[in-house]
Amino acid sequence: KQEVTQIPAALSVPEGENLVLNCSFTDSAIYNLQWFRQDPGKGLTSLLLIQSSQREQTSGRLNASLDKSSGRSTLYIAASQPGDSATYLCAAYNAGKSTFGDGTTLTVKP
Amino acid sequence: ETGVTQTPRHLVMGMTNKKSLKCEQHLGHNAMYWYKQSAKKPLELMFVYNFKEQTENNSVPSRFSPECPNSSHLFLHLHTLQPEDSALYLCASSQDLPPRGYSNQPQHFGDGTRLSIL
Repeated sequence: KQEVTQIPAALSVPEGENLVLNCSFTDSAIYNLQWFRQDPGKGLTSLLLIQSSQREQTSGRLNASLDKSSGRSTLYIAASQPGDSATYLCAAYNAGKSTFGDGTTLTVKP
Repeated sequence: ETGVTQTPRHLVMGMTNKKSLKCEQHLGHNAMYWYKQSAKKPLELMFVYNFKEQTENNSVPSRFSPECPNSSHLFLHLHTLQPEDSALYLCASSQDLPPRGYSNQPQHFGDGTRLSIL
């Protein structure tokens, strides 16, 4: 059974800092890994999807990496802004379904 | 506009009531999902439909009954719920689910229905 863990559970940084969110999964036989953000009272917004054959994906200030062999993915956010404050979730896809982590709640202070 | 619309946004019901949650997607997708998000728990997959056929039932109690009349609409019928069923119910869609266990398409989520059981 796939288990997904995200560390840290919460993170507070001053505006402008670069930061890294971590995601680990127990079953490395995944087909893809997806990063989402969730704002309070809202659904999930897809940020990046990395295929199992890929090492990283980039979108603007976001960069996600994937190391299947070690069961890890990271989400790097450059030059953080207060608007980046949200909960970030990762989801590992295999066996026909996605398994989500608990999320990391990020607060970026002005 | 997320492309996936859920109604109602909030629902309060007693344990003996019957209600339904609705999800509609305007993205031309063929796969649709129901998830449950409880406080301080990871998102839990409930059901998956691909081309209107149920492909996944993640051991969900029978008091939750899904219905997928077409690829654009997904319902979750609720009956005799328990207080522990109070949660945010999220609907998602993706292009489709090619041979089981493989998908390279991202999921798109609605904003959810906040359900409270009295």
